[in-house]
Amino acid sequence: AQSVTQPDIHITVSEGASLELRCNYSYGATPYLFWYVQSPGQGLQLLLKYFSGDTLVQGIKGFEAEFKRSQSSFNLRKPSVHWSDAAEYFCAVGANFGNEKLTFGTGTRLTIIP
Amino acid sequence: SQTIHQWPATLVQPVGSPLSLECTVEGTSNPNLYWYRQAAGRGLQLLFYSVGIGQISSEVPQNLSASRPQDRQFILSSKKLLLSDSGFYLCAWRQSPDQETQYFGPGTRLLVL
Repeated sequence: AQSVTQPDIHITVSEGASLELRCNYSYGATPYLFWYVQSPGQGLQLLLKYFSGDTLVQGIKGFEAEFKRSQSSFNLRKPSVHWSDAAEYFCAVGANFGNEKLTFGTGTRLTIIP
Repeated sequence: SQTIHQWPATLVQPVGSPLSLECTVEGTSNPNLYWYRQAAGRGLQLLFYSVGIGQISSEVPQNLSASRPQDRQFILSSKKLLLSDSGFYLCAWRQSPDQETQYFGPGTRLLVL
């Protein structure tokens, strides 16, 4: 069965600083990988996804993520954060065939300070 | 384009009362549908999913149930709510079998008192 670990429960960064949110997964084959963002009281919005091909994927709002098979990681990055990026971020993994479900990490809450 | 709706947006219910949350999807057909619960400060827990009308898979034993009476309608129910049922309930859809991405609705916040 697949699993996802987001080791950072809460991260605080200054506006304009760079950001990296960590995600490690466990799955026996090449997974489907996702990052979602959730603003307070809202549903989840898809930031980006990786299925195959180029291991560096670009998403919305200036985010990118890199799939590293050797490290079983899919870390989310942004070169310069904005106050509006304050939210909860979820990494998720899905099987690459036949499986109907995604497994989510427990989330990382991002706080932006002026 | 596809749209997913959930209602009500917020609900306050007494312990022991029934529950019915509704989710509908527009602009697609035969989607996979999902119910998640998000307790305060915790991640997403998959409760139920459905691959077609009348087909429900339960992930976690509890006093909740789900039904799919129509292709694009997914209902979460309970006969008697518990305090532990409080949380944020999210519905999601996925266009099977070609796409793995799940798209989420705005959620329903349930407070059981």
